Amino acid sequence: EDKVVQSPLSLVVHEGDTVTLNCSYEVTNFRSLLWYKQEKKAPTFLFMLTSSGIEKKSGRLSSILDKKELFSILNITATQTGDSAIYLCAVLKETSGSRLTFGEGTQLTVNP
Amino acid sequence: KAGVTQTPRYLIKTRGQQVTLSCSPISGHRSVSWYQQTPGQGLQFLFEYFSETQRNKGNFPGRFSGRQFSNSRSEMNVSTLELGDSALYLCASSHTNWGTEAFFGQGTRLTVV
Repeated sequence: EDKVVQSPLSLVVHEGDTVTLNCSYEVTNFRSLLWYKQEKKAPTFLFMLTSSGIEKKSGRLSSILDKKELFSILNITATQTGDSAIYLCAVLKETSGSRLTFGEGTQLTVNP
Repeated sequence: KAGVTQTPRYLIKTRGQQVTLSCSPISGHRSVSWYQQTPGQGLQFLFEYFSETQRNKGNFPGRFSGRQFSNSRSEMNVSTLELGDSALYLCASSHTNWGTEAFFGQGTRLTVV
C-alpha cells in the first residue's frame, strides 16, 4: 500500500526562525513529489520535484528530493506569521494519472 | 487566468438526502480530480476524470459518483447522505492526465445533519 508520512505533525516557532518539514514516501512507480500550502480552504501549489538532488527555490522557501532515501524536505527561512498554515506533501505515480496521495500534513504556527 | 471554481461553497443537508457539487477547472485543463478532506483522514482521493472518462477511482462507496462534461466541467454526486460524509470536498484541475501539478479550488463545505 502506498504511504506518505510527514513529520512533525505540528510545529510552533517564532518569527525569524528557520524550519524544516519532512516527507517520506513508499510508493510503487514514483513519478513526482509535490508540496502544497493550505491556509483556509484551497491548497496552493508550492513545488513539484521529480529529479533527485535538484533544489527548487521560491523566495524564502526551498525544497529538495532524495529518490534514493525516499524523502523530501521543505525549508522555510526567516519565517513570518503569514507562513502559518498546513503544509501538505503528496506523491504522483507513473501509473495513476493525476491522482495524488497525500501525507497527513504539518501544521506550522509562527508566533510574532 | 481564472482559477478552479467550485460551487456551492457551503451546503447543509440532512441524512438520506443527495447532493451535487460542481467544479469548473482552469481553462485548458482537461483533468479534474476530487478529494474529501476531514480532520481525521486528511485528504482522500475520490476519483479523477479526463476527457469525460473516469481514469482513477479511490476507495469510496458507490454512493459517491461523478461525471465530466465536454467542456471539462465536472460534478460529483453523493446519494443517501450519512453524517460521516460531512467534509470539505476539494476539486483539482491539471493540464493533462500525465501527472503534472494540480491546482485546487476553494472547496465545498458539506455538513450533514
